Order: sequence, then structure tokens, then C-alpha cells
Amino acid sequence: AQSVTQPDIHITVSEGASLELRCNYSYGATPYLFWYVQSPGQGLQLLLKYFSGDTLVQGIKGFEAEFKRSQSSFNLRKPSVHWSDAAEYFCAVRPGITGGGNKLTFGTGTQLKVEL
Amino acid sequence: DADVTQTPRNRITKTGKRIMLECSQTKGHDRMYWYRQDPGLGLRLIYYSFDVKDINKGEISDGYSVSRQAQAKFSLSLESAIPNQTALYFCATSDYRDRETQYFGPGTRLLVL
Repeated sequence: AQSVTQPDIHITVSEGASLELRCNYSYGATPYLFWYVQSPGQGLQLLLKYFSGDTLVQGIKGFEAEFKRSQSSFNLRKPSVHWSDAAEYFCAVRPGITGGGNKLTFGTGTQLKVEL
Repeated sequence: DADVTQTPRNRITKTGKRIMLECSQTKGHDRMYWYRQDPGLGLRLIYYSFDVKDINKGEISDGYSVSRQAQAKFSLSLESAIPNQTALYFCATSDYRDRETQYFGPGTRLLVL
């Protein structure tokens, strides 16, 4: 079964600083990978997704993520963080075209705090 | 108006009570899901449905049941609520033409005393 690990429970960065949130997955084949953001009191919003092709994917709100097969990672990055980026971020994985339906497996989340 | 709505947004109930959480969507999606979120555990899938006549168990279905009354409605029931079902519950939808993207409702916060 697939699994997702987000090693950092909490991260604090200063506004304007760069950000990298880590995500490692465990799956036998190439999965589909996702990053979601949950703002306080809100549901989850999709930031970006990777299925195949270019390993660097661009998302909304200035976020990007890079798929590294050799490291089983899909880290989320942003060059300059804004105070409004404070939220909880979830990495998720689902089986690729080989099957498994639409079932997403989520990581435990990383809470981002932005200092002004 | 929100595309995926959940009612109620907050609910307090007592152990042993039966309660229902409702989800409606105006996105025209065929697929719907129920997740629960617990601190430090992320989101876990309870049930999902790919069509009105299709119901599938997720990883933590025990103690829950669902009903897909129409394409736009997917209800989650707790037959006899217990305190460890205290959590934040999310409904999500997806479309067969873009199966990988799920759209989430705002959540229902449930407290079982």
C-alpha cells in the first residue's frame, strides 16, 4: 500500500524568505502526487499535481514542486513566502494508471507559520 | 455560492446518538468521498462513491454508513456515535474526466461527548 511522510510537523519562516516543505512517498510504481493547502477554517484546496512528464510542476499562488524518483520525494517550494501563506499543507499520493481508483492517501500535514 | 457544501458546520452530540452529516455539490461531479481529519493523522478515507448506485468502503469505515441519494448528495451517518469519532469531517468530489483532482467542502466539526 502507498504511504506518504511529511517529516516536518511545524515550520516557521519569515515573510519574504524561501520555503521548502518535504514530502516522501512509498509506492512500487510511479504514483500521482498532489499538494493541498488548508487555510484556517477552510477545506482543502489543490495547489498542484504531478502525473508524468516534466518533473518540475507549477501550481497556484506561486508554488512549485519537484518530483525526484531517486529520492521518492515531491517537495513543495516557494521563492518568497507571503503572510497569507500561513496554513497547513498536505502532500497526497494515489496509484497511477495501473489502478487503485481515486483513493488518495494523505500525509499528516505540515503547519506553516509566517513571521512578519 | 460554494460548489461543495456541508451541513451542519458544527455539531455536538452525545455517545450513542445517531447523527447524519450531509454533503451537496453543484459541480456536476459523479464521484464523492467522505474523509475524517484528526490532528497529527492527516485525512483518512471513510467511504467513497463513483455513482449513485456505487458505494465503497475506505480505510476506516467501521462505525459509519453512507447514502448516495442522488448524484449531488452524499450523506454520512454515525449509527451510534462514540467519543473517538470526534473529528473534522470533509466531503470531496471529483469528475471522471479529471479523476485526479478532488474538490473539498468546508468541513463539519463533530464533537461526541
